[in-house]
Amino acid sequence: SAVISQKPSRDICQRGTSLTIQCQVDSQVTMMFWYRQQPGQSLTLIATANQGSEATYESGFVIDKFPISRPNLTFSTLTVSNMSPEDSSIYLCSVRPGNTEAFFGQGTRLTVV
Amino acid sequence: AQSVSQHNHHVILSEAASLELGCNYSYGGTVNLFWYVQYPGQHLQLLLKYFSGDPLVKGIKGFEAEFIKSKFSFNLRKPSVQWSDTAEYFCAAVTNSGGYQKVTFGIGTKLQVIP
Repeated sequence: SAVISQKPSRDICQRGTSLTIQCQVDSQVTMMFWYRQQPGQSLTLIATANQGSEATYESGFVIDKFPISRPNLTFSTLTVSNMSPEDSSIYLCSVRPGNTEAFFGQGTRLTVV
Repeated sequence: AQSVSQHNHHVILSEAASLELGCNYSYGGTVNLFWYVQYPGQHLQLLLKYFSGDPLVKGIKGFEAEFIKSKFSFNLRKPSVQWSDTAEYFCAAVTNSGGYQKVTFGIGTKLQVIP
């Protein structure tokens, strides 16, 4: 199993600014995943972050908009850059230790005004 | 591209009614399947999972799901729901593609159980 701490749990941000979300895991994992859950929609994978290499982004997501850091095996950050109201969403960090089920953090509820 | 489809977006049941939530996936290779639940204000939790073996999988809180390969389905069932089962339920599939694993989620089904 894995316990994930995500910060902040929620934030209200002005458009044009950036927010960095932190994800801390209680065990070492090779890959960390970042998802977005927009209102009324499913979880969408943004990118996969491997320690020591650049993140792999899914179609429709780019590094300039969602830069990711992965400095070690227990920590990652996702930045939402140059925010617009369309970025209002819940952002979730996830891990799959031992390639079994996915574990999730509580999520970060972002509102852009 | 792989996808996971959930047919019922919003279900309302009375307590003690039986539940079946549909889930279909579009992937012909080896697939691992999950059902997650998200109670109001809480994070996603695993209900049950299927990797291999017995296609009838039992999970927590009396839930079960049946993997039917020929139908690409993994429907979630519970014989008698309780008010505390009010939550959103997500079907998910892990697929392998060129050594890269990806988890794809369905759109979710909101279940409301009326006392």
